[in-house]
Amino acid sequence: GAVVSQHPSWVICKSGTSVKIECRSLDFQATTMFWYRQFPKQSLMLMATSNEGSKATYEQGVEKDKFLINHASLTLSTLTVTSAHPEDSSFYICSASGTPNAEAFFGQGTRLTVV
Amino acid sequence: GESVGLHLPTLSVQEGDNSIINCAYSNSASDYFIWYKQESGKGPQFIIDIRSNMDKRQGQRVTVLLNKTVKHLSLQIAATQPGDSAVYFCAENNNFNKFYFGSGTKLNVKP
Repeated sequence: GAVVSQHPSWVICKSGTSVKIECRSLDFQATTMFWYRQFPKQSLMLMATSNEGSKATYEQGVEKDKFLINHASLTLSTLTVTSAHPEDSSFYICSASGTPNAEAFFGQGTRLTVV
Repeated sequence: GESVGLHLPTLSVQEGDNSIINCAYSNSASDYFIWYKQESGKGPQFIIDIRSNMDKRQGQRVTVLLNKTVKHLSLQIAATQPGDSAVYFCAENNNFNKFYFGSGTKLNVKP
């Protein structure tokens, strides 16, 4: 399958700072990228969907000003967690799809710990 | 978002036995479904998919069954191996191209 790479894999930041997570499709053009959050022993919760060149669509209850998503190119989307707090500590996972209603390929995830 | 839930949170099977993992979905408009396997600390890994115009699809050692009447999916793993131990999620994709995940089933394979 296609390869999606996330960076960093693991990050610790201080409360109040911002953290940027990158998601790259390495061998295909991702027209749509998805961002998920996963708490321990829980399922993946869709946060937002982004299409290249347009604003992201956020799921209900997800603060768009706190979780800034940029999808500037067909191979890169970024998620910035602004003014991070300990409750934002989670496993963030991106996925990318090159074709609507087709398989989405997942990155390896980023574990964020806010101290 | 849609509600996608699982009947069993954990499943323990003996190595070599067949495993069946179930999933219920709530959005009758969903037309594409994927089963994912997730190992600890890693992103989900695609196992098999099925579209709503099919009832059954087979892969290598895995079979997915779709019952649209009762909005139910199942994943069958034949001859379960220790390497199959993981958490399994079903995900549904509606016609808005969004994937929503079920709550997950942890599969424990006993040697």
